[in-house]
Amino acid sequence: GAGVSQSPRYKVAKRGQDVALRCDPISGHVSLFWYQQALGQGPEFLTYFQNEAQLDKSGLPSDRFFAERPEGSVSTLKIQRTQQEDSAVYLCASSPEGRGLGTGELFFGEGSRLTVL
Amino acid sequence: RKEVEQDPGPFNVPEGATVAFNCTYSNSASQSFFWYRQDCRKEPKLLMSVYSSGNEDGRFTAQLNRASQYISLLIRDSKLSDSATYLCVVLFLDSSYKLIFGSGTRLLVRP
Repeated sequence: GAGVSQSPRYKVAKRGQDVALRCDPISGHVSLFWYQQALGQGPEFLTYFQNEAQLDKSGLPSDRFFAERPEGSVSTLKIQRTQQEDSAVYLCASSPEGRGLGTGELFFGEGSRLTVL
Repeated sequence: RKEVEQDPGPFNVPEGATVAFNCTYSNSASQSFFWYRQDCRKEPKLLMSVYSSGNEDGRFTAQLNRASQYISLLIRDSKLSDSATYLCVVLFLDSSYKLIFGSGTRLLVRP
């Protein structure tokens, strides 16, 4: 399909395990974002890439969280030593624009639902 | 204090009603404003942008008051299909390019 694709859709991890979540943005989209959405809350900003450059990682909650987009396309969000409070839906979004243009339309994937037991 | 605040609701209204949601933001340097809609267990989708002069899209009207740092969304003639969570979103263009979402206002439209 032509939309943002995320995998896995569902992930159950035992506390302490490492997980990796993948995002395939819409082809050609310059900007890529990761958000974390807890139940009943709005999406919380985690990090932003413009092409392969990670321009903002101010939302990453701890050094256990790491994101990369090495070739400016696919991105991976890695969470090390998962904790129960990491349980949430992780949303990836892409936009055809880089910063400075800002029409504000993000195209979201369906998310990866992480449950840490 | 959160950067973008909304009344969580739920707003429970009959079909055909008019309902309004409000949102306040704390950063006066905010650049642009939007309303997104999120259906249950689905991803957020852009509903409409919010312009300083106010703007309308069918049954939906958005207003922005920069002086009061306040955004509103008005839905007229509510439909059952309007039932969703409405997210107020603010774009910051400082050293980054960051959309900050409110916690959302839940709307339930009943027959």
